[in-house]
Amino acid sequence: EVQLVESGGGLVQPGGSLRLSCAASGFTLSDYWMHWVRRTPGKGLVWVARLDSNGRTTNYADSVKGRFTVSRDDAKNTMYLQMNSLRAEDTAVYYCVRGLWGIDYWGQGTLVTVSS
Amino acid sequence: DIQMTQSPSSLSASVGDRVTITCRASQGISNNLGWYQQKPGKAPKRLIYTTSSLQTGVPSRFSGSGSGTEFTLTISSLQPEDFATYYCLQHNNYPWTFGQGTKVEIK
Repeated sequence: EVQLVESGGGLVQPGGSLRLSCAASGFTLSDYWMHWVRRTPGKGLVWVARLDSNGRTTNYADSVKGRFTVSRDDAKNTMYLQMNSLRAEDTAVYYCVRGLWGIDYWGQGTLVTVSS
Repeated sequence: DIQMTQSPSSLSASVGDRVTITCRASQGISNNLGWYQQKPGKAPKRLIYTTSSLQTGVPSRFSGSGSGTEFTLTISSLQPEDFATYYCLQHNNYPWTFGQGTKVEIK
C-alpha cells in the first residue's frame, strides 16, 4: 500500500527556517517524480516544487524560488523540503504527493505556521 | 501561468441528483487534467486522471470529459459519501495549477 507521511511542520517566526520530511512506503521514491503542494485558506491548493526521479532535476513555484529546496535520501526513502526565509504567506498545510499522470497519491499534510 | 477557473464554487444537491462541475483553462492543456475529492481532515483522493480515466477503485458514477480548455466532472447519482470538496488540476505546464474548488453540500 502506498503511504506518504509528512512531518516537521510547526510554528516558526518570519525569517526562520524549517525542514519538512516525507517518508514513503509501499513504493520506491526514486522511481517517481515527487512534488510538494500546499493549501492555504486564501489561495487554495498551490503547487510548490518537484523533484525528478533522478533526484537532481527540480522545479519551483516563483513564490518560493531561491528560498525552498527539495531533496531526497534514497537510503531512507524520504523526501525533504528545506524552507528558509519564511514569510507569513508561507503559512499552509504542506502535502507530499506522488506524480503519476498528474498526482496519484497524497500524504495527510503537515501544518506550517509562520508568525511572530 | 495557466489559470484554472472552476465553477460553481459551491452547490447544494440531494442524494440521487446529477451533479456537474466545470474547469476552464486559460490556454489549451491537451488532456492533462485530473479531478480530486477532499473531505475535511483527509488527504485529497484522485477520482479521474487524463481527463476521463477513472482511478482504480472509484465508483463508476464519477466520470470526466472535455478537451483543450473545458473539462467536466459529472457525478451521475449523488451519494451521501460524495459530499465533499472537489478540485481540478492541470499538469500540462509548470507551474501546475488547481481550480479553486467546488464544495458539494447537502440540500
